[in-house]
Amino acid sequence: DTAVSQTPKYLVTQMGNDKSIKCEQNLGHDTMYWYKQDSKKFLKIMFSYNNKELIINETVPNRFSPKSPDKAHLNLHINSLELGDSAVYFCASFGAGGFGNTIYFGEGSWLTVV
Amino acid sequence: SQQGEEDPQALSIQEGENATMNCSYKTSINNLQWYRQNSGRGLVHLILIRSNEREKHSGRLRVTLDTSKKSSSLLITASRAADTASYFCAPAPGNQGGKLIFGQGTELSVKP
Repeated sequence: DTAVSQTPKYLVTQMGNDKSIKCEQNLGHDTMYWYKQDSKKFLKIMFSYNNKELIINETVPNRFSPKSPDKAHLNLHINSLELGDSAVYFCASFGAGGFGNTIYFGEGSWLTVV
Repeated sequence: SQQGEEDPQALSIQEGENATMNCSYKTSINNLQWYRQNSGRGLVHLILIRSNEREKHSGRLRVTLDTSKKSSSLLITASRAADTASYFCAPAPGNQGGKLIFGQGTELSVKP
């Protein structure tokens, strides 16, 4: 069973379009995140939700809107896509694991805006 | 919040050699975690070391923590080609809940 799953894995779209990336975790964690990884490998936190409530909102354009219908899901909607939005987007959840409280990442969604 | 800064940015070694990666951070921490990212994949948790621990082992991994110098190191012994990946450290401040900030990572290449 995949702990954190996100879809789609690859997405190629034109500038100006609106797209969504979906994320689900089956770990029973209360906290979920969206991270963005750019071409230089920097992994930047975008949003964090705890039990459906937004708790972290880093400096992200308001074209990005997270939505958490329940604590197992955190979707990311992006309006009016721009070239600079091309990156890998990682969903993650946080909670108790074999090592203590750690983050579990999804496999990433590769977004290419053309 | 703070991020770890990994050093070196890139490391290339031969199979069988040891690989050492370093991490520095700026403020006090509750614990520090290391993650690995294989090309095209998400990050995978490797090991967590608490602020009151100085060294921890897991298989071929050895992590040290020096809170006085605000630094940590990850040693991979007897490296294998399969260890080729990027390695990230994430210092975890106790008052930040689950917010982990990642740096650029160290890109390790192990040549067969």
